[in-house]
Amino acid sequence: DSGVTQTPKHLITATGQRVTLRCSPRSGDLSVYWYQQSLDQGLQFLIQYYNGEERAKGNILERFSAQQFPDLHSELNLSSLELGDSALYFCASSVLGTGYADTQYFGPGTRLTVL
Amino acid sequence: AQKITQTQPGMFVQEKEAVTLDCTYDTSDPSYGLFWYKQPSSGEMIFLIYQGSYDQQNATEGRYSLNFQKARKSANLVISASQLGDSAMYFCAMRGDTGGFKTIFGAGTRLFVKA
Repeated sequence: DSGVTQTPKHLITATGQRVTLRCSPRSGDLSVYWYQQSLDQGLQFLIQYYNGEERAKGNILERFSAQQFPDLHSELNLSSLELGDSALYFCASSVLGTGYADTQYFGPGTRLTVL
Repeated sequence: AQKITQTQPGMFVQEKEAVTLDCTYDTSDPSYGLFWYKQPSSGEMIFLIYQGSYDQQNATEGRYSLNFQKARKSANLVISASQLGDSAMYFCAMRGDTGGFKTIFGAGTRLFVKA
């Protein structure tokens, strides 16, 4: 158990809908990362927050948004869902959010299925 | 640009034998970190081991060791005394200054341990 929690574990929804994925980082970690893992694209970095502020952006679609709250939990919002958004979404956390030695610990993931 | 290459899509190993999973990387950063993660069929991403580019000794964590050859830009994972529970997908990752310390992942190697 990494100490990172994600809810829900599974989510099944229809095209065009909007969903919210939730993540709580490990105790003491200030930075949260979101990743998307699909079969054809591998593990793709979406976005990173540090202590409530956006720090880095990756291949995140405009239909997706995220935020980190004062208690450091984070939410990833996915809207106007398409079939291709079906994937495993990971949240990871780390202490510093910067530096090459800052290890990320992953949550169990949320498996999103868009029908 | 930073790049991680894992050339072995799948590998088989006999239980109790050692196995090496290959990882080569490309970066122009003077300092960087290298990581290995394990993803069992249950889906979670488990941090295994870290190696810093300036570390003089190869990293070890229990049955896992990282064979770091800086001049060859390789960071191979060695698993000793393989167990059935080692059957999983293994990802090599790198984190450096380029791009604001974003972590990039390789495509992964699926390891099958045979009884």
